[in-house]
Amino acid sequence: KAGVTQTPRYLIKTRGQQVTLSCSPISGHRSVSWYQQTPGQGLQFLFEYFSETQRNKGNFPGRFSGRQFSNSRSEMNVSTLELGDSALYLCASSEGRPVGDEQFFGPGTRLTVL
Amino acid sequence: AQSVTQPDIHITVSEGASLELRCNYSYGATPYLFWYVQSPGQGLQLLLKYFSGDTLVQGIKGFEAEFKRSQSSFNLRKPSVHWSDAAEYFCAVASDPNTGFQKLVFGTGTRLLVSP
Repeated sequence: KAGVTQTPRYLIKTRGQQVTLSCSPISGHRSVSWYQQTPGQGLQFLFEYFSETQRNKGNFPGRFSGRQFSNSRSEMNVSTLELGDSALYLCASSEGRPVGDEQFFGPGTRLTVL
Repeated sequence: AQSVTQPDIHITVSEGASLELRCNYSYGATPYLFWYVQSPGQGLQLLLKYFSGDTLVQGIKGFEAEFKRSQSSFNLRKPSVHWSDAAEYFCAVASDPNTGFQKLVFGTGTRLLVSP
């Protein structure tokens, strides 16, 4: 099976712009989670989508949003970019089981905000 | 709220020596614990997980971890370190297994350096 893929791998944006990141989960996985990784805050959970519905949400401002399509692919959008949004954004997919689930991570998208 | 503490930011180990990375968690009920490894510029790879049962868990690449409820710990071990093990290691807990396994709370990570 192919692993989790994320596109693009690298992005450079300027403050105030918006950005969309894409994640394709492992075939058969219905859950997609997003994490932000920064040197200062570490790995933080953004949100999780399961069957096109947001099921879990982290503590991030409304500028961060996402969606999931019927084929389980997910996109994450960040509007009005700030310098502090520079980070590695990781996507993880899983079967979405309520117990004993296991997440598989993609390589990440490195976002730089200038 | 659940939390994970990795007290060591950096650890340097000689190649061939044994390794133990520490992880302490804070969680009221039975925790669901994970260890992930991240190589530079890469995503996270799952090394092993603990859900229930045997408290000594075997993982990939020769790693193992032991769950100790009395110490709220889930330390990662390897008997003989290889240069390719140099990476950053993250301990994580599923934040609320009752509402979903998908929201992981991560520790701050331990960077492992392997000296020749």
